[in-house]
Amino acid sequence: EAQVTQNPRYLITVTGKKLTVTCSQNMNHEYMSWYRQDPGLGLRQIYYSMNVEVTDKGDVPEGYKVSRKEKRNFPLILESPSPNQTSLYFCASSLSFQGGSNQPQHFGDGTRLSIL
Amino acid sequence: GENVEQHPSTLSVQEGDSAVIKCTYSDSASNYFPWYKQELGKRPQLIIDIRSNVGEKKDQRIAVTLNKTAKHFSLHITETQPEDSAVYFCAASRSGGSNYKLTFGKGTLLTVNP
Repeated sequence: EAQVTQNPRYLITVTGKKLTVTCSQNMNHEYMSWYRQDPGLGLRQIYYSMNVEVTDKGDVPEGYKVSRKEKRNFPLILESPSPNQTSLYFCASSLSFQGGSNQPQHFGDGTRLSIL
Repeated sequence: GENVEQHPSTLSVQEGDSAVIKCTYSDSASNYFPWYKQELGKRPQLIIDIRSNVGEKKDQRIAVTLNKTAKHFSLHITETQPEDSAVYFCAASRSGGSNYKLTFGKGTLLTVNP
């Protein structure tokens, strides 16, 4: 089954304790992206990756890191989490935007992070 | 960067009525406009999309229209049903150059009353 898998689904942690949220897709998609969703603010893009070893900032990248060492994986790293990063996070993937052809994004089920 | 405004933020309709959600965008280079539906506690799922070379697209009870000159696009749902109740998000992006961001509107909570 084609899917985007995020782990963990829920996490409660404390300020300053490094954490990683994993994201994996099995559709051989080139493009992957992370979003955070907050009430009244919709979905805001954190980072995206056009392909292996190619990453770029979205609209709200501060406090986050990403890496794309393999095509299928795109982990989101919070080196020193703070309470304002408490949010619902979604990973998404799609075929490449290149070639003048934007493609629909497939979302994972989300990760709810609480930073105390 | 791109800015997407979405209205209204909440919309309540009676079953069988039509619902219209409107979005405007700021970047004239944007050329792809998807709409996502998010049911409570679930992930966003694409329901329809439109590219800038098309003015209208329809899929059963759902249609999207695009006015490139005015930089706005709209989602139309006809014969609404209770299962259409959800949050709907519009988005805009462009391909080419170095910017491949996808910018979302803030969402519209649609409630369809039986």
